Amino acid sequence: EVQLVESGGGLIQPGGSLRLSCAASGFTFSTYSMNWVRQAPGKGLEWISYISSNSITTYYANSVKGRFTISRDNAKNSLYLQMNSLRDEDTAVYYCARDTSSLIQHWGQGTLVIVSS
Amino acid sequence: DIQMTQSPSTLSASVGDRVTITCRASQSISQWLAWYQQKPGKAPKLLIYKASSLESGVPPRFSGSGSGTEFTLTISSLQPDDFTTYYCQQYYSFWTFGQGTKVEIK
Repeated sequence: EVQLVESGGGLIQPGGSLRLSCAASGFTFSTYSMNWVRQAPGKGLEWISYISSNSITTYYANSVKGRFTISRDNAKNSLYLQMNSLRDEDTAVYYCARDTSSLIQHWGQGTLVIVSS
Repeated sequence: DIQMTQSPSTLSASVGDRVTITCRASQSISQWLAWYQQKPGKAPKLLIYKASSLESGVPPRFSGSGSGTEFTLTISSLQPDDFTTYYCQQYYSFWTFGQGTKVEIK
């Protein structure tokens, strides 16, 4: 069974940094591309970042480009999102999600990030 | 960037009703469209992919159709568990979600 478990969320002040992690199990992590998707409270879903299986290719939404960095460690079956220069509008539940030929098929349960002073 | 527009934003219906949600893309996305169901406090769940393919384990009362720029999700007979929010998403060029449709009890 595919399992994705996010961690690292919490309360952070504007301008601060946070690193989210996603632990994957139940599938061969190193062969799948991965994504981060977020959802602000009471709002819709927003894709924010993608990383290919071998880390060669990464993409970012304009809203986070230059501030967030996606990475992975295939030896540890883990996905990461380094978030810098956090803003109030980055407050959201952050989901990691497995990509199968660009289809986002499996999702973690999410981790809440609150940016507030 | 490809924009996705869902309608309606809210839909009031009763158990047993047939309901349809529409999603329009700002440019052609062929059949690269997915539908997700999301319950409060939970992660989205994939229902339909490639516009009309039913994800394994999803009840057959859910169906999808369309291609190009116009797509629909149909629930043939609403069940109590179906009153929640639905999102379309294109995966033709990067990934963009519609704004969501909340299906509520009439």
